Amino acid sequence: KQEVTQIPAALSVPEGENLVLNCSFTDSAIYNLQWFRQDPGKGLTSLLLIQSSQREQTSGRLNASLDKSSGRSTLYIAASQPGDSATYLCAPGSYNTDKLIFGTGTRLQVFP
Amino acid sequence: GAVVSQHPSRVICKSGTSVKIECRSLDFQATTMFWYRQFPKQSLMLMATSNEGSKATYEQGVEKDKFLINHASLTLSTLTVTSAHPEDSSFYICSAPTSGSTYEQYFGPGTRLTVT
Repeated sequence: KQEVTQIPAALSVPEGENLVLNCSFTDSAIYNLQWFRQDPGKGLTSLLLIQSSQREQTSGRLNASLDKSSGRSTLYIAASQPGDSATYLCAPGSYNTDKLIFGTGTRLQVFP
Repeated sequence: GAVVSQHPSRVICKSGTSVKIECRSLDFQATTMFWYRQFPKQSLMLMATSNEGSKATYEQGVEKDKFLINHASLTLSTLTVTSAHPEDSSFYICSAPTSGSTYEQYFGPGTRLTVT
């Protein structure tokens, strides 16, 4: 059974800092991994999708890496802004089930 | 990217009544959709997999007679919470994967259910 852990659970930083959010998963038989953002009371916004054959993906100030064999993914946020404040969720998609299993999330607050 | 809608966005109902939530893929077809629920300050918990033209597959611990799922077309799945109780109050979110090699999942905006 896939289990997903995200560290840290919460993070509060001043604007401008570069951030690292960590995601670990127990079942490495995945076809991809998605990173999402969720604002309070809202649905999920897809940020990045990494295929299992890829090592990283970049979109603007966001960069996600994937080390499938060790069951880890990292989301880098460069030059953080107050608008980045949200909960960030990672979700690997398992070959065995086609399902996304979500991590516990990292709650990020960026203050001016 | 692909768009998934949900309706209603918010609903308040009385205890004992039933509530239907719709999930639509607006610009793509989805033979499979997923239903999640989320309690405050917690992550998403997968409830069931909705399969077009066949029965839904429920996760362990989810009451299939209470949470009825119907996937009648390639663009619509519905979740009906039957005989709702206050403990069913939650945020319900659906998702649908696009077909092809990427199999990327897109999420609806969610439905806030409050049972009084």
